[in-house]
Amino acid sequence: ETGVTQTPRHLVMGMTNKKSLKCEQHLGHNAMYWYKQSAKKPLELMFVYSLEERVENNSVPSRFSPECPNSSHLFLHLHTLQPEDSALYLCASSQSRTGELFFGEGSRLTVL
Amino acid sequence: AQSVTQPDIHITVSEGASLELRCNYSYGATPYLFWYVQSPGQGLQLLLKYFSGDTLVQGIKGFEAEFKRSQSSFNLRKPSVHWSDAAEYFCAVDGGGGGADGLTFGKGTHLIIQP
Repeated sequence: ETGVTQTPRHLVMGMTNKKSLKCEQHLGHNAMYWYKQSAKKPLELMFVYSLEERVENNSVPSRFSPECPNSSHLFLHLHTLQPEDSALYLCASSQSRTGELFFGEGSRLTVL
Repeated sequence: AQSVTQPDIHITVSEGASLELRCNYSYGATPYLFWYVQSPGQGLQLLLKYFSGDTLVQGIKGFEAEFKRSQSSFNLRKPSVHWSDAAEYFCAVDGGGGGADGLTFGKGTHLIIQP
């Protein structure tokens, strides 16, 4: 596989569930990102990992918990979410100092 | 803080007509600028980018964009649109942190192509 792969593509969960989103990049990049895309709003940067260390979290609620075990994998752990958390969650990667992001196709999350 | 404004939420263009999507940014120095396209249910694909040098940059799918420092603009153009160009277009700016801070995106412009 090439590029950035996200699983699952679609996820429906209740407010008390615990689930995880997975992202894998095959580009040899050393930075990975989670963005949230909601209707009528700009893409919101949630988390950035550079060289496997978190560099920014933008005051994201603690019910979202990222994990970056190595430079190729990124997870977003979800716990006790709210209906307003329903959105498309996009993973991206980059080779630092170029600025260009490569995106996955996203995970569409619906919280009931 | 840097910001990006895309003043047009929706634009409708006839197939074969020319296209210009507007983007204005706010940033103190020379930014890195990007245009991305998103088809329904998909992630974002890079169309083109500006880092330095020639202010007119060519991208994929026949798109180009021009960086105008005096107007803080980076408008996207295409001389003749195709029905397959219908999508959401996002302008983005990187404040030069080398990507470690992510990109700041505009709200997007939804492009509709009329037959």
